[in-house]
Amino acid sequence: QKEVEQNSGPLSVPEGAIASLNCTYSDRVSQSFFWYRQYSGKSPELIMSIYSNGDKEDGRFTAQLNKASQYVSLLIRDSQPSDSATYLCAVKDFGNEKLTFGTGTRLTIIP
Amino acid sequence: GAGVSQSPSNKVTEKGKDVELRCDPISGHTALYWYRQSLGQGLEFLIYFQGNSAPDKSGLPSDRFSAERTGGSVSTLTIQRTQQEDSAVYLCASSLVTLGNSPLHFGNGTRLTVT
Repeated sequence: QKEVEQNSGPLSVPEGAIASLNCTYSDRVSQSFFWYRQYSGKSPELIMSIYSNGDKEDGRFTAQLNKASQYVSLLIRDSQPSDSATYLCAVKDFGNEKLTFGTGTRLTIIP
Repeated sequence: GAGVSQSPSNKVTEKGKDVELRCDPISGHTALYWYRQSLGQGLEFLIYFQGNSAPDKSGLPSDRFSAERTGGSVSTLTIQRTQQEDSAVYLCASSLVTLGNSPLHFGNGTRLTVT
């Protein structure tokens, strides 16, 4: 049974600081990794995907993947109050189309 | 349409009744997924479709739950003899291809309340 683990939080970060969100997964054959953002009462929306070891940057967001350590993280630079949401880590194996989600980390940016 | 459409947006039903939830995926998306999210919880996988076939039904909680997809498009999730523990937001998502790296696009969900 694949497991995707996240610290549920809440994680509080001052506005303008870097928010660091972490995720570990149990299945070594996992191939694709996604970060979704979910505002309260809304559906998840994709913000980042990463497939190879290393860093991937998109604007204020950086995803980091370390397959040897089975670890994926999301950094949010210059945090804004609008970044306050629950961040869901999701993992998919090649050939298995089920996307397994973690329980999410609730992030609060403090003005 | 522009996105994944789900109906109804809210459904209140009495325990023991059957309910049917509908999902219209993004046009051209071959893969369709159903997830369930209880209050304050993560997303629980229910089932996914590749075309009209459901290769993985492992997440369906019981035989009261069933789903079908017709014409490679619309999908319905049916819950028979609803129970209070079925209360949750049911989310549908679609993706363009299933090669392991295609993101899911979610609908707004159906909030089901069983009284």
